[in-house]
Amino acid sequence: AQSVTQPDIHITVSEGASLELRCNYSYGATPYLFWYVQSPGQGLQLLLKYFSGDTLVQGIKGFEAEFKRSQSSFNLRKPSVHWSDAAEYFCAVQLHGSSNTGKLIFGQGTTLQVKP
Amino acid sequence: KAGVTQTPRYLIKTRGQQVTLSCSPISGHRSVSWYQQTPGQGLQFLFEYFSETQRNKGNFPGRFSGRQFSNSRSEMNVSTLELGDSALYLCASRVGQGPNEQFFGPGTRLTVL
Repeated sequence: AQSVTQPDIHITVSEGASLELRCNYSYGATPYLFWYVQSPGQGLQLLLKYFSGDTLVQGIKGFEAEFKRSQSSFNLRKPSVHWSDAAEYFCAVQLHGSSNTGKLIFGQGTTLQVKP
Repeated sequence: KAGVTQTPRYLIKTRGQQVTLSCSPISGHRSVSWYQQTPGQGLQFLFEYFSETQRNKGNFPGRFSGRQFSNSRSEMNVSTLELGDSALYLCASRVGQGPNEQFFGPGTRLTVL
């Protein structure tokens, strides 16, 4: 079965430090890949997406992600974290094929805490 | 351009009742998907509608249903509510089929007592 794994449930970093959130997927082909962020009581905001092409993608708020086919990974990075980045982050995949269009499969999420 | 809107934002129901949630997609978006978010199960796909037709359905019981109108607005209905249906229900819209991103609304928080 297709699945998305975010190994880190909770991460704490100091403000100004770099950040990397891990995401691995299990799927026979390269899916479409997304990172979303959710603040408490809010919906999901799209940070970035990968459909094809350049494996390093840039997103909003200074985030970037790198797709590594050999590792089935799509890790999210930010060089310098701000206190406002504290939130829950979700990795998601969208599978190819008519029966799967529109269906996003989400990881369990990683809660980011930022220390002053 | 206005984002995805969901009404109501909060809802309290009792077991056995039914509930209808509404979602208005971004203007020009023809595809609407629904997701359930709970602390235990995370984010799970309910169904997707495109051009008033259900295109995909997640692994939920038949008590969960939906529909889409000609203006792309969508509703989901849950009948015979159970305590376990308490969740944040998120609606997402996208332009259409194929590889394009989904934009989420703020959600409807449903509490079943």
